[in-house]
Amino acid sequence: AQRVTQPEKLLSVFKGAPVELKCNYSYSGSPELFWYVQYSRQRLQLLLRHISRESIKGFTADLNKGETSFHLKKPFAQEEDSAMYYCALSGDSSASKIIFGSGTRLSIRP
Amino acid sequence: KAGVTQTPRYLIKTRGQQVTLSCSPISGHRSVSWYQQTPGQGLQFLFEYFSETQRNKGNFPGRFSGRQFSNSRSEMNVSTLELGDSALYLCASSPTGTNYNEQFFGPGTRLTVL
Repeated sequence: AQRVTQPEKLLSVFKGAPVELKCNYSYSGSPELFWYVQYSRQRLQLLLRHISRESIKGFTADLNKGETSFHLKKPFAQEEDSAMYYCALSGDSSASKIIFGSGTRLSIRP
Repeated sequence: KAGVTQTPRYLIKTRGQQVTLSCSPISGHRSVSWYQQTPGQGLQFLFEYFSETQRNKGNFPGRFSGRQFSNSRSEMNVSTLELGDSALYLCASSPTGTNYNEQFFGPGTRLTVL
């Protein structure tokens, strides 16, 4: 069964400190992993996805198939990074569902 | 391009009533997905429609149903409302589906069941 686990409901770090939001998944096939972000009073939007291998707003995420993880990292947190972050998984067929984790609220302290 | 729109933005209903929510996808997008967002459960997948056919369904009771029209607009219906149905209902569209594709989300409809 597809499952996405984000173990931290809340993560609070100081501005300038490194950030790591954890995401573990369970999927028997070839998954596609995403990170979505929801800033205060804004729509949920895509931050980055595994297949693009991009760095967006200083965030990166590496798919580790051995550990079935897709952790989101940023070396130096900024106050504007405060938001709700969701890890999501989709399968490799056109009929695949997308499953979201329960989300992690990231709070950056000044 | 205009973004995903949802109407109404806010709804208050009482237990036992039914409700219909509407979603207009980005022009050219043929896939529309619906999600329920609550503080306790997070974001849960309800169903996905593609070319007027339900292609995927989450683990929700049959009281939750939907449909998609030929112009890709979608509606979601909840019958016999329960207090626990109070949530933010989000729809998202994508060109061809949820796999490998970015989902573009609407602002949501906030449903309160009294």
